[in-house]
Amino acid sequence: DTAVSQTPKYLVTQMGNDKSIKCEQNLGHDTMYWYKQDSKKFLKIMFSYNNKELIINETVPNRFSPKSPDKAHLNLHINSLELGDSAVYFCASSQDLGLAGGRTDTQYFGPGTRLTVL
Amino acid sequence: LAKTTQPISMDSYEGQEVNITCSHNNIATNDYITWYQQFPSQGPRFIIQGYKTKVTNEVASLFIPADRKSSTLSLPRVSLSDTAVYYCLVGASMDTGRRALTFGSGTRLQVQP
Repeated sequence: DTAVSQTPKYLVTQMGNDKSIKCEQNLGHDTMYWYKQDSKKFLKIMFSYNNKELIINETVPNRFSPKSPDKAHLNLHINSLELGDSAVYFCASSQDLGLAGGRTDTQYFGPGTRLTVL
Repeated sequence: LAKTTQPISMDSYEGQEVNITCSHNNIATNDYITWYQQFPSQGPRFIIQGYKTKVTNEVASLFIPADRKSSTLSLPRVSLSDTAVYYCLVGASMDTGRRALTFGSGTRLQVQP
């Protein structure tokens, strides 16, 4: 069974379109994340949700809107796609965010969604 | 946002020991240091985590000096399958007091036969 799954695996779309990427984890974790990895392999956190509550929201354009219907799902909706949005987007989950105590819980990553904006 | 620094790339040969260092000058007092491994077309995978001194598991060792401003991931006797990108992750204090997770830029390890 896949622990963290993402759909779709590949997404090719035109500039200006709106698209969504779905993520589901079956690990029973409380915290989920979205990361963006660009062509140079820099891995940057975008959002983090803990028990459906937004915890971390980095400097991401407001065209990106995460939605967590329940703690097993964290979807990413992107409006008015731009060329610079092309990247691989990873979803991840961990038991807890762990920032309060300083210990970052092990994160389990999904396989990634390669988004190409034409 | 705190900056972590790693070498961009490293080359090695099968059977050698590889040491990858990450600098994290303003790591917070309670923060742990975690390393992840990423193969092409896959998500990162947890390798090891530590707070101070030395941690060892079946895959790697992690050395952290007393000042904790850096850490070194040590891979004993690498094989071709260890070819991957290795990321250093620390919690980091931001100027506003809000804390966030920071991945290093990653070190691309190429193991040659």
